[in-house]
Amino acid sequence: DAGITQSPRYKITETGRQVTLMCHQTWSHSYMFWYRQDLGHGLRLIYYSAAADITDKGEVPDGYVVSRSKTENFPLTLESATRSQTSVYFCASSEFTNPSGRGTDTQYFGPGTRLTVL
Amino acid sequence: QKEVEQDPGPLSVPEGAIVSLNCTYSNSAFQYFMWYRQYSRKGPELLMYTYSSGNKEDGRFTAQVDKSSKYISLFIRDSQPSDSATYLCAMSAGSGGYQKVTFGTGTKLQVIP
Repeated sequence: DAGITQSPRYKITETGRQVTLMCHQTWSHSYMFWYRQDLGHGLRLIYYSAAADITDKGEVPDGYVVSRSKTENFPLTLESATRSQTSVYFCASSEFTNPSGRGTDTQYFGPGTRLTVL
Repeated sequence: QKEVEQDPGPLSVPEGAIVSLNCTYSNSAFQYFMWYRQYSRKGPELLMYTYSSGNKEDGRFTAQVDKSSKYISLFIRDSQPSDSATYLCAMSAGSGGYQKVTFGTGTKLQVIP
């Protein structure tokens, strides 16, 4: 199906473990984003990617690693999970400029991954 | 102080009511204003996109921007139970190309049948 998917949808892990969240989009959008959503903080940008092999830090990158070897995939890895990383994680994608002239402020979000770190 | 402030609610209204959702912001560089709707356990989806000041209408939804007051609103007419969701305001400084988006924390709306 076309769109943006995330896996797993739910994940429980323990402090110190490595966890990878997957994101896949079928639109061939150049930009992809990872956000975390926490009560009282809203959506905060972790990392984003402008194209394959081009990534950059967002607002809260510490403790996270990303890669983008293919345009359609943008995995997020928590190298050593901490309780403070318990959150809902959203992946999003966007065209650089869409036919309406809008840029990356028009984003399409995946369904989210609910991560609990015990 | 956050760049974008949004009352978290929850806001409960009876079906058919007019709903007003609001955000204030501090960054005068913001020119493009968006409203995203997020259903429970789903990702946000873009609902409205407006430029600068003025109103934009789309069906039962009207987005209003007052740049002089740094205040934006989303009005929902004839609210329906299906409108129950969290509404996130979002803002950017430009259009086209890479634009950093600043999101509000969201207002949870419940429309009671």
